[in-house]
Amino acid sequence: NAGVTQTPKFQVLKTGQSMTLQCAQDMNHEYMSWYRQDPGMGLRLIHYSVGAGITDQGEVPNGYNVSRSTTEDFPLRLLSAAPSQTSVYFCASSRGGGGNQPQHFGDGTRLSIL
Amino acid sequence: ELKVEQNPLFLSMQEGKNYTIYCNYSTTSDRLYWYRQDPGKSLESLFVLLSNGAVKQEGRLMASLDTKARLSTLHITAAVHDLSATYFCAVNSGGYQKVTFGTGTKLQVIP
Repeated sequence: NAGVTQTPKFQVLKTGQSMTLQCAQDMNHEYMSWYRQDPGMGLRLIHYSVGAGITDQGEVPNGYNVSRSTTEDFPLRLLSAAPSQTSVYFCASSRGGGGNQPQHFGDGTRLSIL
Repeated sequence: ELKVEQNPLFLSMQEGKNYTIYCNYSTTSDRLYWYRQDPGKSLESLFVLLSNGAVKQEGRLMASLDTKARLSTLHITAAVHDLSATYFCAVNSGGYQKVTFGTGTKLQVIP
């Protein structure tokens, strides 16, 4: 059972480039989320989804797009990378039920923008 | 806007000692989570607290929730080196999955 799989694990981009961070889960979870983790700031919610076709913004959505066409996949797109987006990105999933279940996290993608 | 504050931010303690990490949040919620993160690793769920007065224990860790005070505590009993990690509390303010994390408490247990 793979759980939550994120790819790539590491990425270096130049300012202005675009890319997609992949996230897949094999637990049939309804809820999925993207966070960024910066030193001293904990995790901040970027976007989240409560099911296929349904997404919403979190705390820091600017510069990022998401879509959820299947239950399993929740990719995060950086439209035009900026140095301020250098961070560690975590994808998480959980069963539905109004937030009564803990989130399962992927191993993270370490992204550097030059 | 929901704010979640943890204290202390850093904690260095000797093996065998007890200590408590505090998590305060600014708006009404009855869903609070505790996670552990080892350096360079992902987050692991420790506890889910879903009602006022909820208490959960696992090994040397015990978590509690007081929704009226908007406070959760994570109590460490007789700390051991393996508990060294960063501990996060997180609060669900809108149902579903809109979760706000605290800044974390970095715990170092010294042999």
